[in-house]
Amino acid sequence: RKEVEQDPGPFNVPEGATVAFNCTYSNSASQSFFWYRQDCRKEPKLLMSVYSSGNEDGRFTAQLNRASQYISLLIRDSKLSDSATYLCVVRPPNSGYALNFGKGTSLLVTP
Amino acid sequence: DAGVTQSPTHLIKTRGQHVTLRCSPISGHKSVSWYQQVLGQGPQFIFQYYEKEERGRGNFPDRFSARQFPNYSSELNVNALLLGDSALYLCASRDRLNTEAFFGQGTRLTVV
Repeated sequence: RKEVEQDPGPFNVPEGATVAFNCTYSNSASQSFFWYRQDCRKEPKLLMSVYSSGNEDGRFTAQLNRASQYISLLIRDSKLSDSATYLCVVRPPNSGYALNFGKGTSLLVTP
Repeated sequence: DAGVTQSPTHLIKTRGQHVTLRCSPISGHKSVSWYQQVLGQGPQFIFQYYEKEERGRGNFPDRFSARQFPNYSSELNVNALLLGDSALYLCASRDRLNTEAFFGQGTRLTVV
């Protein structure tokens, strides 16, 4: 079983739509959780950290369910510029702060 | 301030050759990590260095090695290249171990 699993998509949605991405992780003792965004042929960039209480940054909302080992990202009012690959990232315990990335979920927002 | 810089940006090598990739972290950052991203996959952890000491190693063969210099820049070396080593190699820097990782633009290695 992979350590971080994501639905690879692609997700094709119209502008203005709400889209949700899900991710599961295998190590229940994992410490930190993130969503990164990666544009085509570019480097990953931190979108937001994910906290147990849930957190929101503008149109983006991230949730963590430690009991189910499940992480989600909700994007409201999708923009064309949101088209990218979204990577679910987990820092497992005793990892020396190495990051485990999922395969990524591809999002295409269309006019 | 300059971000994380990697060189070269693109590289083509032949099977069996050796390659050295370079990374300069953000000024003041003491931690450098290396990741390999094969097309269609997420980045996979290779090495982490902090204050010039190796702090973590991923599941990669001994053909992969790295080091960090006194100025905190880093090199990733890969010997006896295989076709499967073709990937985007990403370097990430942090100022301390538990803060946000910033990625460079990567080196795209093609092995033919």
